[in-house]
Amino acid sequence: DAKTTQPNSMESNEEEPVHLPCNHSTISGTDYIHWYRQLPSQGPEYVIHGLTSNVNNRMASLAIAEDRKSSTLILHRATLRDAAVYYCILEGDSWGKLQFGAGTQVVVTP
Amino acid sequence: DTGVSQDPRHKITKRGQNVTFRCDPISEHNRLYWYRQTLGQGPEFLTYFQNEAQLEKSRLLSDRFSAERPKGSFSTLEIQRTEQGDSAMYLCASEKTAGAPNTGELFFGEGSRLTVL
Repeated sequence: DAKTTQPNSMESNEEEPVHLPCNHSTISGTDYIHWYRQLPSQGPEYVIHGLTSNVNNRMASLAIAEDRKSSTLILHRATLRDAAVYYCILEGDSWGKLQFGAGTQVVVTP
Repeated sequence: DTGVSQDPRHKITKRGQNVTFRCDPISEHNRLYWYRQTLGQGPEFLTYFQNEAQLEKSRLLSDRFSAERPKGSFSTLEIQRTEQGDSAMYLCASEKTAGAPNTGELFFGEGSRLTVL
């Protein structure tokens, strides 16, 4: 599976939107873009995934660039509970064998 | 609670001892995964099962590691002759790929933290 590049950390104020970028310039046509997050002392938690079109769910939105070489996870109103490490992962033909990188540590300030 | 459960949550052992972790996946989830996570790093894939069959093992899984899922339900991960480098969080995840459309979502447990002294 292709690799992703994410910033090490991002800060946000509570109730403000958070835009988490992810670069995946070597993405292949069949790679899905997955986002997971990991709160302190917990296992990773699925956030959202998409292939080509933008996706929305109750947790977040995923905006995928037209050339699919980058994507952005959007948390619409950050809460203190959203403080976590967010992982952007490409998943091709290896369903479930997720290759986690170091992720982005999101800090939410009251 | 109907999520993935792991036991024990914490294990401290001396170098050279054997340890075993258990994972109970979500009911009817046919796939079960084991991952390892060291401090400051993302989880790393170790192995996975489709029902009772172990379909893939990572190169990270040395000969001292063995995993089973005998009846396609719970799974165990055993580490023999533990080394200090085995200290990590061992995460289990499950997924339902049969039947309903695959959402691509893995459900992780809270992990079993191993400390080897």
